[in-house]
Amino acid sequence: GAVVSQHPSRVICKSGTSVKIECRSLDFQATTMFWYRQFPKQSLMLMATSNEGSKATYEQGVEKDKFLINHASLTLSTLTVTSAHPEDSSFYICSARVTVKRGGELFFGEGSRLTVL
Amino acid sequence: DAKTTQPPSMDCAEGRAANLPCNHSTISGNEYVYWYRQIHSQGPQYIIHGLKNNETNEMASLIITEDRKSSTLILPHATLRDTAVYYCIVSDPGSSNTGKLIFGQGTTLQVKP
Repeated sequence: GAVVSQHPSRVICKSGTSVKIECRSLDFQATTMFWYRQFPKQSLMLMATSNEGSKATYEQGVEKDKFLINHASLTLSTLTVTSAHPEDSSFYICSARVTVKRGGELFFGEGSRLTVL
Repeated sequence: DAKTTQPPSMDCAEGRAANLPCNHSTISGNEYVYWYRQIHSQGPQYIIHGLKNNETNEMASLIITEDRKSSTLILPHATLRDTAVYYCIVSDPGSSNTGKLIFGQGTTLQVKP
């Protein structure tokens, strides 16, 4: 299947700092990428839809000024957690759609675990 | 909100078939049924998807009822490595609004020796 890569896989930062997570589609171009967050023992929660060349669309309750999303190219989307606090500690996962044709399944990255001290 | 209903947990004996049900009674005509699974601390893994016909690939089979209101994922010969949370999701990939994958709570499948 298609490959989606995230970096870093783990990051620990101090409270108040900003952290950037990268999501790359390695063998295909993705006009749309999605960002999810997952807390322990919970399901994935969709945060935002990242569209190449335009502003991201955020889900209700997700602060767009805190979670900055940039989708500058067809193979790269970034999520920046600004002024991180301990409650932002979570597992962040991105996904990308290969094509809308034939159902257009999403492929997911390995996830990035953020710990804010 | 997720549009699917799944049992929270299931057990299966190693080597036997695992049949995971999913109800999606409000599915619309353009929505596909997708199955993903997540092993602890990893990103979800795509398994299979379908619109109305049954589908089979190297991992699993997907059986969709004629009225499309429910489906069953079949792992033909479950192994211990198939222990995971399995998510059934319905989505219209051609829609900017409903093309998103919204995850429910899924079914935790425990494969036992």
